[in-house]
Amino acid sequence: KQEVTQIPAALSVPEGENLVLNCSFTDSAIYNLQWFRQDPGKGLTSLLLIQSSQREQTSGRLNASLDKSSGRSTLYIAASQPGDSATYLCAVLSYNTDKLIFGTGTRLQVFP
Amino acid sequence: EAQVTQNPRYLITVTGKKLTVTCSQNMNHEYMSWYRQDPGLGLRQIYYSMNVEVTDKGDVPEGYKVSRKEKRNFPLILESPSPNQTSLYFCASSLRPPLYNEQFFGPGTRLTVL
Repeated sequence: KQEVTQIPAALSVPEGENLVLNCSFTDSAIYNLQWFRQDPGKGLTSLLLIQSSQREQTSGRLNASLDKSSGRSTLYIAASQPGDSATYLCAVLSYNTDKLIFGTGTRLQVFP
Repeated sequence: EAQVTQNPRYLITVTGKKLTVTCSQNMNHEYMSWYRQDPGLGLRQIYYSMNVEVTDKGDVPEGYKVSRKEKRNFPLILESPSPNQTSLYFCASSLRPPLYNEQFFGPGTRLTVL
């Protein structure tokens, strides 16, 4: 059974720092991995989708990498801003299923 | 504006009183699903629908029903709610099944069952 873990559970950094969020999954047989952002009291916003054949995806200050063989993905945020404060979730789509399996998230706080 | 909408956003009810949470998307998406989010457990899928009249169970379907009579709507029905169904519920949709497509989420419905 696929399990997705995110470490750390919470992170607090000063504005301007570059930071890395980690996501690991137990079964490497996945179709894709997706990173989401969740703001308090709101829904999830898709940030990046990486297909299993890809190594990384970039969008603005965000860069997500995928190492399927080791069961790991990282979300790199460059030059963090207070507006980046949110919970970040990763989710994988495993073979033979139409379901996304989510991690429990990393709560990020960027202070001025 | 392309979006997924849910109603109501907040609901407090009592045990056993039937309720329906509506979900609607305006993007002509084929695939829709419902999740619940609980502290320490993350998001877990309740039901999903590949297309009109096609629905299937997710990981935690007990106590819930769904229907997909129209492409744009995917209501979640709790026939006899219980306190363990107190949770934050999200509806999501994508153009096709999640294989190659991003999922778009609604704003969430916070349900409290007393």
